[in-house]
Amino acid sequence: AQKVTQAQTEISVVEKEDVTLDCVYETRDTTYYLFWYKQPPSGELVFLIRRNSFDEQNEISGRYSWNFQKSTSSFNFTITASQVVDSAVYFCALRGGGTSYGKLTFGQGTILTVHP
Amino acid sequence: EADIYQTPRYLVIGTGKKITLECSQTMGHDKMYWYQQDPGMELHLIHYSYGVNSTEKGDLSSESTVSRIRTEHFPLTLESARPSHTSQYLCASSDSTILASEQFFGPGTRLTVL
Repeated sequence: AQKVTQAQTEISVVEKEDVTLDCVYETRDTTYYLFWYKQPPSGELVFLIRRNSFDEQNEISGRYSWNFQKSTSSFNFTITASQVVDSAVYFCALRGGGTSYGKLTFGQGTILTVHP
Repeated sequence: EADIYQTPRYLVIGTGKKITLECSQTMGHDKMYWYQQDPGMELHLIHYSYGVNSTEKGDLSSESTVSRIRTEHFPLTLESARPSHTSQYLCASSDSTILASEQFFGPGTRLTVL
């Protein structure tokens, strides 16, 4: 069985602070894929990043960065110099590499509120 | 920008009514999904489809049914709505020709059953 845990239910920061959203996963698959999605107040989920289990290289995209560590089964997401527009619910998700047929297992989500 | 649409965006309906939530995508994706999102945010897969005439139940048991007669269309039906069906329903699709393609999500339908 697969499981994704986002231990932080809510995070509140002031604009320009850095913030890290934690994600820990469990899977028995040797090949798997990890995702982060953003859900703004409008409701749709917006894809942010995909990582496969063979690629532990960290990635940076503008103010966003991701730290993937297989040794601790974690895939954490950091927003540098947060902005009010970053306020949203963020989901970490896992897809197995076997017969999962593209199904995603989502974490519980973290509500991020950035105050001006 | 993903081309996946859901209608209606909001629906308030009385108990016992039959409802159909529409989902359409113009990307030609084979795989489509329905998720139910609790008020507490967690998303649960309730149905998925690999292609035309293929449908499977997801991880969370649901009284809803789905059909996939056309690639672009994946409607969800509740024969008799109940207050326990009140939730947000999100439709998604992904490209089966791309390894581990991300899922593209529609804007969701927020259903309230009185």
